[in-house]
Amino acid sequence: DSGVTQTPKHLITATGQRVTLRCSPRSGDLSVYWYQQSLDQGLQFLIQYYNGEERAKGNILERFSAQQFPDLHSELNLSSLELGDSALYFCASSVQPGQLYEQFFGPGTRLTVL
Amino acid sequence: DQQVKQNSPSLSVQEGRISILNCDYTNSMFDYFLWYKKYPAEGPTFLISISSIKDKNEDGRFTVFLNKSAKHLSLHIVPSQPGDSAVYFCAASPYGQNFVFGPGTRLSVLP
Repeated sequence: DSGVTQTPKHLITATGQRVTLRCSPRSGDLSVYWYQQSLDQGLQFLIQYYNGEERAKGNILERFSAQQFPDLHSELNLSSLELGDSALYFCASSVQPGQLYEQFFGPGTRLTVL
Repeated sequence: DQQVKQNSPSLSVQEGRISILNCDYTNSMFDYFLWYKKYPAEGPTFLISISSIKDKNEDGRFTVFLNKSAKHLSLHIVPSQPGDSAVYFCAASPYGQNFVFGPGTRLSVLP
């Protein structure tokens, strides 16, 4: 158990809909990262937050947005969903935002868009 | 354009033998590399890392080798155990920026 929790574990929805994925980082970790893993693809970095502020952006679509709240939990909002958005979405956390620090991953949320 | 490549989607090895997982990268600015292991229904877990100032890092049964001129790194697992069966991701970072992950290699260690 990495100490990072993600809810829900599974999510099935229809095209055009909007969903919110939630992540609670490890106790004491200030930095949160979101990744997308599509079938047979590596982990695609989406976005990073540090202590409530956006720190870095990766390959995140404009239909997607995220935020980190004062209690340090984070939410990833996916809207106008398309079939291609079906993937595993991982949240990770680390103590500091620098990439030399190990990231601890949550178990992921599996999103299926029908 | 994949900057981090793991050209073997899968690998099968007999228990007790050596497992060698390979990773190639294209960006010469990558200077820090990690390997993550992922079991089904779990998130990836950190395994071992190496900085570009080294060419080898060892941790128990796991050794990572880095060949900067070839832009290639490999993970050696000796001896391989059935519990090592998982998907292994290689990741690379340029100057402390965000990591780029490879597509993963599924390792099966046969008893």
